[in-house]
Order: sequence, then C-alpha cells, then structure tokens
Amino acid sequence: GAGVSQSPSNKVTEKGKDVELRCDPISGHTALYWYRQSLGQGLEFLIYFQGNSAPDKSGLPSDRFSAERTGGSVSTLTIQRTQQEDSAVYLCASSEDRGQDTQYFGPGTRLTVL
Amino acid sequence: GQNIDQPTEMTATEGAIVQINCTYQTSGFNGLFWYQQHAGEAPTFLSYNVLDGLEEKGRFSSFLSRSKGYSYLLLKELQMKDSASYLCAVGTYKYIFGTGTRLKVLA
Repeated sequence: GAGVSQSPSNKVTEKGKDVELRCDPISGHTALYWYRQSLGQGLEFLIYFQGNSAPDKSGLPSDRFSAERTGGSVSTLTIQRTQQEDSAVYLCASSEDRGQDTQYFGPGTRLTVL
Repeated sequence: GQNIDQPTEMTATEGAIVQINCTYQTSGFNGLFWYQQHAGEAPTFLSYNVLDGLEEKGRFSSFLSRSKGYSYLLLKELQMKDSASYLCAVGTYKYIFGTGTRLKVLA
C-alpha cells in the first residue's frame, strides 16, 4: 500500500507568517510522530500521537508550535509567527502501534523562513 | 538522562566491511533500530533488535548487547550507494535518535 505522504514538499515563507504542514500516515497505523531535522543534525522529536490523542508534546520547541490529528489519520503541524530558526526539514512517521514498532517516514517538508 | 552516541563520520573503501557503533543510556528500552538516510531523503528502516545477539539481513547485520547498552551495524561488501548517514534509535514509547554517522564509501 501507500507509504507516509507529506505536503507540501517545500515551503518558503516570510518571518512572522503562519504555516501548516500536513502528514498522511500509512492506513491503519495508530501512532504518528513529528520530527525536525536541521541541516547536518539528528532527528529532534516534536510530538507523538496515539490515535487522536497526543500523550507526549514534550518536544515542541515553543507555544508557537501546535499539532492536531483527526479521525486517527491525517495530522497537521502548525507553526505560528515563524522565525528563521524554524527553518528545517519536518519529518512525519507512523507505526502500527507504539514506540517498539518500526516507524516509517514520509519524505518530509523542507521549510525555509526568510 | 537519555543519551545516544555514534561516531560523526567514517570512511571506508568499496568492497570492504565497516562497523558503526552506537552506545546508549535511556530510561526505557523496547528495541534498537537502525535507519539509513541519504542526503536530502527521509530515513529508511534497516534493522531492529530487541534481544541480545546478531540479526543478519543480506549485506547488513546488527548486533545488540542490552547489558552493555551497545549496538553496532555491520555493512559488508560496501558499495558506493552505501554512502549515507546511519541513524541509531532507541525505542521507548517513542524513538530517541542519535545524531547519525555519515559514511563515505570511496572507490
């Protein structure tokens, strides 16, 4: 079946604007994760969903970042009042159930804040 | 605390064998994962260890010692296309990733 998809693939925005990033997980996967990867850096955990609930939001860098998931499927990561340091690749992953399950990654959204 | 260490960079020759080490200290453990990430692409799953020992998958093998908090990824018969970053991740209820090891394979 289809893998994890993300849109847009690239987003260029001006400082101070809001952006929305979308993730469509693999069908039937209950767990969904958002990560951020800055140039040359490792993956930084942002938030984890189990179904529509987010048991762990500890990785969100500030209150400008929020995420939701509806219908146990699609998730949206919103960044308000973007800053230049928000520039990174935002990766979404899904797994069948929880953290011990293999996570499958989407292609990512490259965000550039000018 | 949670800590995962990998070498930053390694270089090897086409056809050779390379071992990428990963040591970890985490407050939970449900398995250790290795991912490959080519530049500009998403990570792709390579292997998973939950019990001590060696898991072999073609040219790639992964080893785990839970008592030592240690894993390695072994790549045999290196090919140019193996030039990539290799990410070690410990699964708790989420993944904790190391910063990755950038492998360069030279002709």
